[in-house]
Amino acid sequence: GQNIDQPTEMTATEGAIVQINCTYQTSGFNGLFWYQQHAGEAPTFLSYNVLDGLEEKGRFSSFLSRSKGYSYLLLKELQMKDSASYLCAVVDSNYQLIWGAGTKLIIKP
Amino acid sequence: DTEVTQTPKHLVMGMTNKKSLKCEQHMGHRAMYWYKQKAKKPPELMFVYSYEKLSINESVPSRFSPECPNSSLLNLHLHALQPEDSALYLCASSQALADIYNEQFFGPGTRLTVL
Repeated sequence: GQNIDQPTEMTATEGAIVQINCTYQTSGFNGLFWYQQHAGEAPTFLSYNVLDGLEEKGRFSSFLSRSKGYSYLLLKELQMKDSASYLCAVVDSNYQLIWGAGTKLIIKP
Repeated sequence: DTEVTQTPKHLVMGMTNKKSLKCEQHMGHRAMYWYKQKAKKPPELMFVYSYEKLSINESVPSRFSPECPNSSLLNLHLHALQPEDSALYLCASSQALADIYNEQFFGPGTRLTVL
């Protein structure tokens, strides 16, 4: 079967750093996406990893280890607007997106 | 234009109504998707069109009927829905179906309520 695990909810403080983990077991691997979704809105693209290592984009970074079936999204200098759900999604051997259930991130002042 | 548009934004319908959701993109993408999303759940794939042909139908009930009139438009026709079909319906598009880098661009969604 295909499985993607993320923590259900995390809380962090404004200005701090938070790491959201994602582990996956899928039939094939053709890349991993991170999306951000505010309540009631559509998901928006944050990052894509297909090779091992760290991809940095401003305050957000994403890391991938294919051998461990593991990725994380790192958010720095947290702002209140970062309160949202963060969805990990893996592209499987059929080039379909397999979605994790999402991690709800709560930012406190 | 890097936008996927969806209309209407909100829709309330009775179980005997017939309505349609519309989606449009002008990015030259050849793959278009319909997702259903319930609160606090990830998007659930319903249909995929590739080059205007239905490529994937994820065992969706026949009361949902997709249509792809051309490469820029995607419709979802609704008929005899049930209250449990109330959800956010998301349209997305990507360059092609079988590309490794296949970022999906999402529309804002239609919030559907079935009474």
